[in-house]
Amino acid sequence: GENVEQHPSTLSVQEGDSAVIKCTYSDSASNYFPWYKQELGKRPQLIIDIRSNVGEKKDQRIAVTLNKTAKHFSLHITETQPEDSAVYFCAAKSGYALNFGKGTSLLVTP
Amino acid sequence: ETGVTQTPRHLVMGMTNKKSLKCEQHLGHNAMYWYKQSAKKPLELMFVYSLEERVENNSVPSRFSPECPNSSHLFLHLHTLQPEDSALYLCASSLMVSSYNSPLHFGNGTRLTVT
Repeated sequence: GENVEQHPSTLSVQEGDSAVIKCTYSDSASNYFPWYKQELGKRPQLIIDIRSNVGEKKDQRIAVTLNKTAKHFSLHITETQPEDSAVYFCAAKSGYALNFGKGTSLLVTP
Repeated sequence: ETGVTQTPRHLVMGMTNKKSLKCEQHLGHNAMYWYKQSAKKPLELMFVYSLEERVENNSVPSRFSPECPNSSHLFLHLHTLQPEDSALYLCASSLMVSSYNSPLHFGNGTRLTVT
């Protein structure tokens, strides 16, 4: 089955700096790559996603890049704010299953 | 207000109890999922239903028994659980199970503690 690796497991940045989270996947047939944000005690919520026929997608301060050849994709958050502090999960879709990485705990300090 | 509602929010049960988790979605979706979220582990897919038919069972022990009576409701029946089954159980739905452009919408989860 699909194996999704996510790094780093924790990330601390100063407010205003950028944050980058990286994921790799194993199944070359995976065709959909969403990112979820989970605040403490809350449900995961989709923040951005990318399909396999697209290399980059941007939504305000958030961007995702995909390198299909290398089988890795990344989340970029610019101008970070304290409310960006949360756990971020990458995922890759293979068949019916959406397989998740272990998560990155992001802390943005004022 | 989430379109996916899970009850109860918290559940404490003994190893010999039988209990059920309930999930309801109000989004008109055709696919529903159960995920298990444990500390320091990825979200683990347990079951996938498409139009009330189970399409994936990820080697889940038989002490977990799903039920999908219609496309809006999903249950997870629990019996003779082990302490290591303590986790957050998340229900999710999506428009279609096979579409790559059909994101998951999660419920708030049921925090299960097995004593």
